[in-house]
Amino acid sequence: DARVTQTPRHKVTEMGQEVTMRCQPILGHNTVFWYRQTMMQGLELLAYFRNRAPLDDSGMPKDRFSAEMPDATLATLKIQPSEPRDSAVYFCASGSWYEQYFGPGTRLTVT
Amino acid sequence: AQSVTQLGSHVSVSEGALVLLRCNYSSSVPPYLFWYVQYPNQGLQLLLKYTSAATLVKGINGFEAEFKKSETSFHLTKPSAHMSDAAEYFCAVSDGQGAQKLVFGQGTRLTINP
Repeated sequence: DARVTQTPRHKVTEMGQEVTMRCQPILGHNTVFWYRQTMMQGLELLAYFRNRAPLDDSGMPKDRFSAEMPDATLATLKIQPSEPRDSAVYFCASGSWYEQYFGPGTRLTVT
Repeated sequence: AQSVTQLGSHVSVSEGALVLLRCNYSSSVPPYLFWYVQYPNQGLQLLLKYTSAATLVKGINGFEAEFKKSETSFHLTKPSAHMSDAAEYFCAVSDGQGAQKLVFGQGTRLTINP
């Protein structure tokens, strides 16, 4: 049963620290999405990649967030420096834009 | 810009009753529409999608949705609710012509009463 995996599942960190979240897309999927979910804003698209190339990162705060795909089996989302307002659940999804498979998410708490 | 509005952030029904979750969309181009479900502490899972074929779309777990262009709606229904249907449901619309991404609604939390 192919699944998107995300690590870590939970992360608590102090303001100003670097946070790295990892995602392993389903093998063979060439499109990867990063979302952020909060109570106030709901589900927001941060960025997405096709064939490892970034297509759109307009939803991402450029000054502190970065997303990369070092290879086809790994996508990363980094926040440096982290702030309390970054506290949220971050989801990775792979597939196609019309059929996305979501990972279980990383719950980030910045204190 | 494309958008969806989900009417009712919380819906509560009795087990065995009809489930109706409402979604209205705004799109300047023919839309593709989706319903996703999120169980507690999990990611979203695709329930069903409308991609300009049949207007009545059947999905997993007994859910279906009907695309009504005149009403700009894509409401989700299930004839008989089950306790396992308790979850959050998200409606989404394709983001414009040549869409490469989705715009999600705010979600509706469905509670099933025994």
